[in-house]
Amino acid sequence: GQQVMQIPQYQHVQEGEDFTTYCNSSTTLSNIQWYKQRPGGHPVFLIQLVKSGEVKKQKRLTFQFGEAKKNSSLHITATQTTDVGTYFCVRNAGNMLTFGGGTRLMVKP
Amino acid sequence: DTAVSQTPKYLVTQMGNDKSIKCEQNLGHDTMYWYKQDSKKFLKIMFSYNNKELIINETVPNRFSPKSPDKAHLNLHINSLELGDSAVYFCASGGALPTYEQYFGPGTRLTVT
Repeated sequence: GQQVMQIPQYQHVQEGEDFTTYCNSSTTLSNIQWYKQRPGGHPVFLIQLVKSGEVKKQKRLTFQFGEAKKNSSLHITATQTTDVGTYFCVRNAGNMLTFGGGTRLMVKP
Repeated sequence: DTAVSQTPKYLVTQMGNDKSIKCEQNLGHDTMYWYKQDSKKFLKIMFSYNNKELIINETVPNRFSPKSPDKAHLNLHINSLELGDSAVYFCASGGALPTYEQYFGPGTRLTVT
């Protein structure tokens, strides 16, 4: 099936450093979603991007959708310990979500 | 109030047993889902029900049988449990326009020994 690939798999950062996770698809996406899963928790919807080149911000989080709608990124500025968790990009085809492998972020205080 | 609830939270059982996981949502959504998350955190959809009707059935062994008595409930029954079934199972609801955002339950950690 069609997949979305995420890199890196893991990222350790010192608190205050920036963090970026990247998501790539071999096919054009109609939209991309991002979810966050805290350790021991469940995935929680963060945002959906629809338009080519779209950029959305949520406080310290910046989400981008590529011009060709084949890639996306999530950038966190000045990480905090509360940012710890796994971030998933998700291909959304109507009712069907296909999750990327996720990037596990660990933040050292 | 909990939007999507699952029971039990933990389930430890032996190979060959049959077990069920229950899921309920109070969000009024028409669509509910079951996902499996393995030890490497890969999340994969198993089933999707829309208003009590099965609409997505990914490649899942037929030992897994979802049942939806009404649109607020989607239960998962697993027969003849195997070691490889050990995982966290998440129920979700949602899929409404415009984002098809899904709301996940807290998960059920199944351990088969």
